[in-house]
Amino acid sequence: EDQVTQSPEALRLQEGESSSLNCSYTVSGLRGLFWYRQDPGKGPEFLFTLYSAGEEKEKERLKATLTKKESFLHITAPKPEDSATYLCAVQASVDNYGQNFVFGPGTRLSVLP
Amino acid sequence: GAVVSQHPSRVICKSGTSVKIECRSLDFQATTMFWYRQFPKQSLMLMATSNEGSKATYEQGVEKDKFLINHASLTLSTLTVTSAHPEDSSFYICSARGGLGGDYQPQHFGDGTRLSIL
Repeated sequence: EDQVTQSPEALRLQEGESSSLNCSYTVSGLRGLFWYRQDPGKGPEFLFTLYSAGEEKEKERLKATLTKKESFLHITAPKPEDSATYLCAVQASVDNYGQNFVFGPGTRLSVLP
Repeated sequence: GAVVSQHPSRVICKSGTSVKIECRSLDFQATTMFWYRQFPKQSLMLMATSNEGSKATYEQGVEKDKFLINHASLTLSTLTVTSAHPEDSSFYICSARGGLGGDYQPQHFGDGTRLSIL
């Protein structure tokens, strides 16, 4: 069964304090790994797609990396506006419909000024 | 690009009422749309997947007759919660996927609908 776990469950950082969020996955063939940001009361906002081990993507203060077992979302010098829940999702290459994402539980990030 | 609009953003209604939620892809054709439910401080739970012009595929444990899904066009899907009861109160979120790259594209989400049944 495809599974996604994320750690830590919650993370509090001071503004400017860099850190990393982890997404570990078990999937029967990875089609893609996706990172989203979700603000309270809103739908998830797409950040990155990673398709193969070794791939990296960057956007402003965020950098996502991928290995065969996990992905990291590195946050460099975070600002209070980076506070949100970060969700990781994987899509397997072998399933009934080739459609479904399996979401992790998320990491709630709080960046204090 | 890849904007998904969901309406209404909030609904409060009496028990027994049917509620319709719309999900539109504004700047791309969504070959596939998804409906999720999210409980407080929990991740998204997939309810069903719909392809344009086809019947929706429901996840195990989701009542087809309770949650009616219609995907009549490449830009619109609707979720109707029939005869809603307090236990149906939740945050419902739609997502859409399409365009070049097909199944390798990410899902793009609407802003959700907060449903409260009194």
